Amino acid sequence: SQQGEEDPQALSIQEGENATMNCSYKTSINNLQWYRQNSGRGLVHLILIRSNEREKHSGRLRVTLDTSKKSSSLLITASRAADTASYFCATDLNYGGATNKLIFGTGTLLAVQP
Amino acid sequence: DTEVTQTPKHLVMGMTNKKSLKCEQHMGHRAMYWYKQKAKKPPELMFVYSYEKLSINESVPSRFSPECPNSSLLNLHLHALQPEDSALYLCASSPKRHEKLFFGSGTQLSVL
Repeated sequence: SQQGEEDPQALSIQEGENATMNCSYKTSINNLQWYRQNSGRGLVHLILIRSNEREKHSGRLRVTLDTSKKSSSLLITASRAADTASYFCATDLNYGGATNKLIFGTGTLLAVQP
Repeated sequence: DTEVTQTPKHLVMGMTNKKSLKCEQHMGHRAMYWYKQKAKKPPELMFVYSYEKLSINESVPSRFSPECPNSSLLNLHLHALQPEDSALYLCASSPKRHEKLFFGSGTQLSVL
């Protein structure tokens, strides 16, 4: 399968705690993106990190990328009940030019308990 | 306007019906996508349009027929679907191919 694998599959934490989810992929990438999906709704883009970047921040989000290990992590700090959602990594697989495609990982279901 | 609008939100159809899903965006994005998502699974890429031309077809059965009439609209024509085609169909657009996709809220399709 081309898709990334995420772990854990599910994560339950208390409000105020930090949440970390990991994504591993198999092939060369141009960039890696993280998306959030609330139940039964469309996905929302959170953050994009390029293959030549190692870390990126956006508000309470911190993303790291290790291309040598083909892995990324998403850290959500000071979680809130509203962060409850599924989180997907998505890799822009580098096939060169027009055949690049964005493939979503298996996802992590995050539940933040109030 | 930073929205991608999909209609209808829900659709129930029989295996002999013909129906269409519609998607519209007014952000000036020239890349548009169809994804299919089964429950508790990640979205699966179906089609990519770039500047109104089909650039990727992920070996999707011909009972799904995409159309991009102009830079703001994307349709997915459905004909002779199977029950296993029941899923959430997501449309997306992006300012640059495969980066920062904006998704619609999807059409929940049930094939009876």
